[in-house]
Amino acid sequence: DIQMTQSPSSLSASVGDRVTITCRASQSISSYLNWYQQKPGKAPKLLIYAASSLQSGVPSRFSGSGSGTDFTLTISSLQPEDFATYYCQQSYSTAITFGPGTKVDIK
Amino acid sequence: EVQLVETGGGLIQPGGSLRLSCAASGFTVSSNYMSWVRQAPGKGLEWVSVIYSGGSTYYADSVKGRFTISRDNSKNTLYLQMNSLRAEDTAVYYCARATYCSGGSCYGVRYFDYWGQGTLVTVSS
Repeated sequence: DIQMTQSPSSLSASVGDRVTITCRASQSISSYLNWYQQKPGKAPKLLIYAASSLQSGVPSRFSGSGSGTDFTLTISSLQPEDFATYYCQQSYSTAITFGPGTKVDIK
Repeated sequence: EVQLVETGGGLIQPGGSLRLSCAASGFTVSSNYMSWVRQAPGKGLEWVSVIYSGGSTYYADSVKGRFTISRDNSKNTLYLQMNSLRAEDTAVYYCARATYCSGGSCYGVRYFDYWGQGTLVTVSS
């Protein structure tokens, strides 16, 4: 199976900060990489698909980049509603795998 | 409007069986790639199983041989039959629809664009 890692595992940030989360795959996955946001007690929400495509309805402060094995999710100006846990997920292989998550909380 | 509603969770003893259902509306289950994803309490997301529109099924190694994914086209519903349950199967189980990008720069990428609210399965004596 393709292993996904994320860094950092958690971070504290303030409203208005620029936040970057990194995701790495154990082998090349081209652009088969998606990002999700999850708030406590809620289902995950798709933010970015195919590494850099913004899902409809998602604010433009979210962006994604990367290909191959290294990917980033950037929030250009953190808003109060962005405090959540973020997961990357690869769909390159039939056995889908998620990263362990990055929790973003308030500094 | 697309909606997914899971039911069937509950408390079950180790070794027992449970069937989860995911009723879909706003789209046709049999025409889509549908998955089950679970989340143990306080943990991350774990993909469990998938059924393709053509009927092929795949499972995570952790559930292979114990869980079976299926669908009822007449009811537009996805199922997960879980047998020989273990304590480590305790989790919130989500069903999710995956959309396949058929053109442009995202060609070939599948992503989970709709999720249910989840149903909690607790395996404990």
